[in-house]
Amino acid sequence: GDSVTQMEGPVTLSEEAFLTINCTYTATGYPSLFWYVQYPGEGLQLLLKATKADDKGSNKGFEATYRKETTSFHLEKGSVQVSDSAVYFCALQLTGGGNKLTFGTGTQLKVEL
Amino acid sequence: DAGVIQSPRHEVTEMGQEVTLRCKPISGHNSLFWYRQTMMRGLELLIYFNNNVPIDDSGMPEDRFSAKMPNASFSTLKIQPSEPRDSAVYFCASSLAVGLVGLANIQYFGAGTRLSVL
Repeated sequence: GDSVTQMEGPVTLSEEAFLTINCTYTATGYPSLFWYVQYPGEGLQLLLKATKADDKGSNKGFEATYRKETTSFHLEKGSVQVSDSAVYFCALQLTGGGNKLTFGTGTQLKVEL
Repeated sequence: DAGVIQSPRHEVTEMGQEVTLRCKPISGHNSLFWYRQTMMRGLELLIYFNNNVPIDDSGMPEDRFSAKMPNASFSTLKIQPSEPRDSAVYFCASSLAVGLVGLANIQYFGAGTRLSVL
């Protein structure tokens, strides 16, 4: 079945460090890919998305590139801030599969001064 | 738009009691999702509706759980009777199903209801 695998957390970084959170997927078709972020005590919100191979999604300094050949959608940010501390979820959505999202398990990011 | 609105934000109840969680989706959205989040199991999709019709309820844990969507602007998730293992944060999300290849249907989440069953 369709699935998303994320790196285990928590990931702890110092402010201004480079961030990578790995995400790989398995899907029967050609999915759209998403990163959602959940700040403490809040619901999930969309961070960025990509709908086809080689697309790059970007928002708030975060980027992820849809790599069909490696079935990956790794999240990166060049310089993290304390305010980026949150849980990050990678997800896929199949074309023609309605609106259903398949989420990874989430990766907690902690950024320290 | 006010976004997806869930109520109550917090619910504390005793084992055996009925619990009803409520959700108002974003106006104009035609898909609605109920999720449960726990430390042990992460984020689980319980059920989702398209155009007020339940499409997939395979994630509903057991018969104690039921969900309804009587109209496009309201949905409920009911647990009867509740048990301590139902303690979790329950999220509602809504989306507009565009149905076109190459377009991503973004889900918008509510703030969640934190349920504690004692």
